[in-house]
Amino acid sequence: QVQLQQWGAGLLKPSETLSLTCAVDGGSFNGYSWSWIRQPPGKGLEWIGERNHSGFSNYNPSLKSRVTISVDTSKKLFSLNLNSVTAADTAVYYCARTPPWEQQLASWGQGTLVTVSS
Amino acid sequence: DIQMTQSPSSLSASVGDRVTITCQASQDITNYLNWYQQKPGKAPKLLIYDASSLDTGVPSRFSGSGSRTDFTFTISSLQPEDIATYYCQQSGNLPYTFGQGTKLEIK
Repeated sequence: QVQLQQWGAGLLKPSETLSLTCAVDGGSFNGYSWSWIRQPPGKGLEWIGERNHSGFSNYNPSLKSRVTISVDTSKKLFSLNLNSVTAADTAVYYCARTPPWEQQLASWGQGTLVTVSS
Repeated sequence: DIQMTQSPSSLSASVGDRVTITCQASQDITNYLNWYQQKPGKAPKLLIYDASSLDTGVPSRFSGSGSRTDFTFTISSLQPEDIATYYCQQSGNLPYTFGQGTKLEIK
């Protein structure tokens, strides 16, 4: 059974860069799509973006100018960078995996709370 | 962006009840509709994908139906462990979007 284990800094100041990493344990890496989703405290889910199975990145237009999703296939890791953060970026951030040729977010990381505060 | 309108936003039901949640898409998404369950402090868990396919290991009391713009999620007999917030998500058009969630409580 695949597990996604994520980590990164939990407290940032405004204008800093959010960096999170997700490791894939116990499952295949190639052919999958890798996504990031976030959830502000007490609110719903927002899709941030993905690196799809073809190697292309797709981002939410609301965040596109600030987001980069990268993949290290050799280490079975994928990462999220979000620059110029503000308090509005305070949220629990989740990584997730989509199986080849499918569309659903089938496996999720445990979540990382990132707080942006001066 | 495709807007996903989920209703109700909250629901109170008794153990054994049949529970239904609806999700409406602002555009045709064929059957690219998924349902997730989220318990407090936990990551969402996939229950239903492609509108009606049950994910591996998910109890058969959960089901989904619908196509194009109108979708339904059903729990045939509510169990205490089903207390959670449920989200629909469309994966037919970028950016992928979620419904606002339905918080399910035991009466």
